[in-house]
Amino acid sequence: DAGITQSPRHKVTETGTPVTLRCHQTENHRYMYWYRQDPGHGLRLIHYSYGVKDTDKGEVSDGYSVSRSKTEDFLLTLESATSSQTSVYFCATGQGTSTDTQYFGPGTRLTVL
Amino acid sequence: DAKTTQPTSMDCAEGRAANLPCNHSTISGNEYVYWYRQIHSQGPQYIIHGLKNNETNEMASLIITEDRKSSTLILPHATLRDTAVYYCIVRLPRGDDKIIFGKGTRLHILP
Repeated sequence: DAGITQSPRHKVTETGTPVTLRCHQTENHRYMYWYRQDPGHGLRLIHYSYGVKDTDKGEVSDGYSVSRSKTEDFLLTLESATSSQTSVYFCATGQGTSTDTQYFGPGTRLTVL
Repeated sequence: DAKTTQPTSMDCAEGRAANLPCNHSTISGNEYVYWYRQIHSQGPQYIIHGLKNNETNEMASLIITEDRKSSTLILPHATLRDTAVYYCIVRLPRGDDKIIFGKGTRLHILP
């Protein structure tokens, strides 16, 4: 498996507080992704990055921002957490070539009360 | 919406081959077929992918029909650890082409 770690693995927070989730990779992959997984919806792409300081929106980006200041780190920030953002968040990485695919981290379970 | 159709669930006896079908009748010429699985509470795990030729790796085999409108993932000797949700995904092999996960097939390996 690709060396992908996520921190924290579990977090409980209150509505209105800021939250930052971190994804760290050791594979030097160009692309990094943030997904959320909810019952009945499967995995949905929030944001992705195609290089340092290069990011783009996914299908459910409202309420989220991201930053990538180093190849190995991709941060997901909830500026003001809401209960609808309670979910399991997965980071993924990949090279984006025809022989490559995406490798997923272990996930972060976030609960917003 | 996902571009693939998979059965909701399947059972397979331990030690037997598990054959998971997937329909992707609208696949375009340069889209690949990817398979992932997700074991409970873990992140999705890549299994295999292919364009038009059959593929095999240490985990599984992928059989793609000649018209590319369907495929089958084969786990040759299923074990209890293969119990998971299996996702068939069609996409371009580009980093900016997102993976759209449908509902997948829940595979139960029976002892």
